[in-house]
Amino acid sequence: EVQLLESGGGLVQPGGSLRLSCAASGFTFSSYAMAWVRQAPGKGLEWVSVIGGSAGGTYFADSVKGRFTISRDNSKNTLYLQVNSLRAEDTAVYYCAKTRNVILWFDGMDVWGRGTTVTVSS
Amino acid sequence: QSALTQPPSASGSPGQSVTISCTGTSSDVGGYIYVSWYQQHPGKAPKLMIYEVTKRPSGVPDRFSGSKSGNTASLTVSGLQPEDEADYYCSSYAGANNVVFGGGTKLTVL
Repeated sequence: EVQLLESGGGLVQPGGSLRLSCAASGFTFSSYAMAWVRQAPGKGLEWVSVIGGSAGGTYFADSVKGRFTISRDNSKNTLYLQVNSLRAEDTAVYYCAKTRNVILWFDGMDVWGRGTTVTVSS
Repeated sequence: QSALTQPPSASGSPGQSVTISCTGTSSDVGGYIYVSWYQQHPGKAPKLMIYEVTKRPSGVPDRFSGSKSGNTASLTVSGLQPEDEADYYCSSYAGANNVVFGGGTKLTVL
């Protein structure tokens, strides 16, 4: 069964940091770009970042550029999101998602985890 | 990276059809075929329903269909069923390695 399981969320003060993880199983992890998408409480979805499969090119939404870092360990089938300089507006459920197309990362996300919650508050 | 525009709500009775619009610009929806739609039930993860404007992933009922005209994409749900009640989000490639989502539409089955 194809599965994604996020972890690492929690309560953090403004300016703090967290490392989110996403453990993947059931598919050839290294073949697919992987993305993070977040959802603030009661709000819509927001694409955050993506990392290529084996080559690992990375891209970020303007709202997180310079503060968030995405990485992956294909030997462990795990995706990471390092979130630094956190702000109240970063409070959200963070979902990891598998991209559908092995070549074009922006062609839909067909597998999603259940999400991990990040709360930024003093 | 402006969000795509969706109506906040839509509704229909069981068996009816409902269409949800998603309006962008020539830099996103109008410029690419990479428009997707996602269904999200309360407290659950999103589910891919449509990709490349009109294509359905395996397992998605053919009651769900997508289309696009100019800068506006649409999702049509035919033969509404109670389990279709959910939030629906469109997304589009916006160039320069960016993806933008719509604000979401809450679909109510009356």
